[in-house]
Amino acid sequence: EVQLLESGGGLVQPGGSLRLSCAASGFTFNIYAVTWVRQAQGKGLEWVSAISASGGSAYYADSVKGRFTISRDNARNTLYLQMNSVRVDDTAVYYCAKARHQSGYDYWGQGTLVTVSS
Amino acid sequence: DIQMTQSPSSLSASVGDRVTITCRASQSISKFLNWYQQKPGKAPKLLIYAASSLQSGVPSRFSGSGSATDFTLTISSLQPEDFATYYCQQSSDTPYTFGQGTKLEIK
Repeated sequence: EVQLLESGGGLVQPGGSLRLSCAASGFTFNIYAVTWVRQAQGKGLEWVSAISASGGSAYYADSVKGRFTISRDNARNTLYLQMNSVRVDDTAVYYCAKARHQSGYDYWGQGTLVTVSS
Repeated sequence: DIQMTQSPSSLSASVGDRVTITCRASQSISKFLNWYQQKPGKAPKLLIYAASSLQSGVPSRFSGSGSATDFTLTISSLQPEDFATYYCQQSSDTPYTFGQGTKLEIK
């Protein structure tokens, strides 16, 4: 059974840092791209970042470029999102998801809540 | 960035109705269009990928069509469990943007 389990969310002050993790199991992690998608309370889905299967290519939304860094450890089957210089508008539930080769995201985690507030 | 525009933003319908949601891309995305269903407090669920391919396990009352810039999601006969919010997403070019969502409510 495919599982994605996010962790690392919590309360952080504006300007602070946080690292999210997503532990994957039930599939061959190192042959699939994976992604982070976020959703502010009562709002729609926002694509944040994605990383290729090897980790050699990373992509970002303009809203997080230069502040967030996506990475993966294929030996540990884990995806990461390093969030620096966070802002109040980064407050959201962050989901990790597995890509099905440029055809959508077929498995999602349950999400982890990040709250940016002083 | 490619902008995705869904219509309508909300829709009221009854069990058994046929419902269509549209999604328009700001430039051609070929068939790189996916549809998701999301229920409150839950992660999104992939319904349709590559514009018209049904994801495994999704009921056949869901169907997708379109190409280039105009796409539709159709539910042939609404069931009680289909009341949710639906999102389109393009996977042609990063950032892989989502539409703003269509909330499907019970009439």
